[in-house]
Amino acid sequence: AAGVIQSPRHLIKEKRETATLKCYPIPRHDTVYWYQQGPGQDPQFLISFYEKMQSDKGSIPDRFSAQQFSDYHSELNMSSLELGDSALYFCASSPTSGRAETQYFGPGTRLLVL
Amino acid sequence: AQTVTQSQPEMSVQEAETVTLSCTYDTSENNYYLFWYKQPPSRQMILVIRQEAYKQQNATENRFSVNFQKAAKSFSLKISDSQLGDTAMYFCAFMKHNSGGGADGLTFGKGTHLIIQP
Repeated sequence: AAGVIQSPRHLIKEKRETATLKCYPIPRHDTVYWYQQGPGQDPQFLISFYEKMQSDKGSIPDRFSAQQFSDYHSELNMSSLELGDSALYFCASSPTSGRAETQYFGPGTRLLVL
Repeated sequence: AQTVTQSQPEMSVQEAETVTLSCTYDTSENNYYLFWYKQPPSRQMILVIRQEAYKQQNATENRFSVNFQKAAKSFSLKISDSQLGDTAMYFCAFMKHNSGGGADGLTFGKGTHLIIQP
């Protein structure tokens, strides 16, 4: 079965640089979520999109922005990177109908800021 | 705002034993969903089981079952016949129901590290 695809899987950046993470949801899933998981921490919800509109907002820093495109893929843009942004970033998607509340997670993008 | 509490940072049991992981939550919502996710050393987040708050019947998925007590705001996970592959971090998560068709984020507990000993 198709899963959520995230790219890149690993990313190394310097402080103050920018990064763009991409997420391709499971086919026929129209909802995308972004989470940040620091070392030894639980995942923290950042932001979600439903039908290409921002739906819910969590603890996303002002330096981060995200959008969902017409093909339902999503991108998380991170600027002025800080050491504390080093984390595992998950994208999740949920279906249009049926168990629409169930989120299926991608493998994550490991971001290291030096 | 919702909070999710997992009071057991780590548990260890022998293979084939039954183990129960605890989770309590606090919310003023009446309609919501509860989940258990498993995160093995690969760090992939894998859905284990889900429960709708409006359903009184406890969810079951093969060796995994929950004990959902809505009045007590408790949602424990029972793993029967535990296997070595069950070794992982287990997160309890809450999501409120969005009647407007939106997409609310999950609130996670701090997790329980479950170790299955051979």
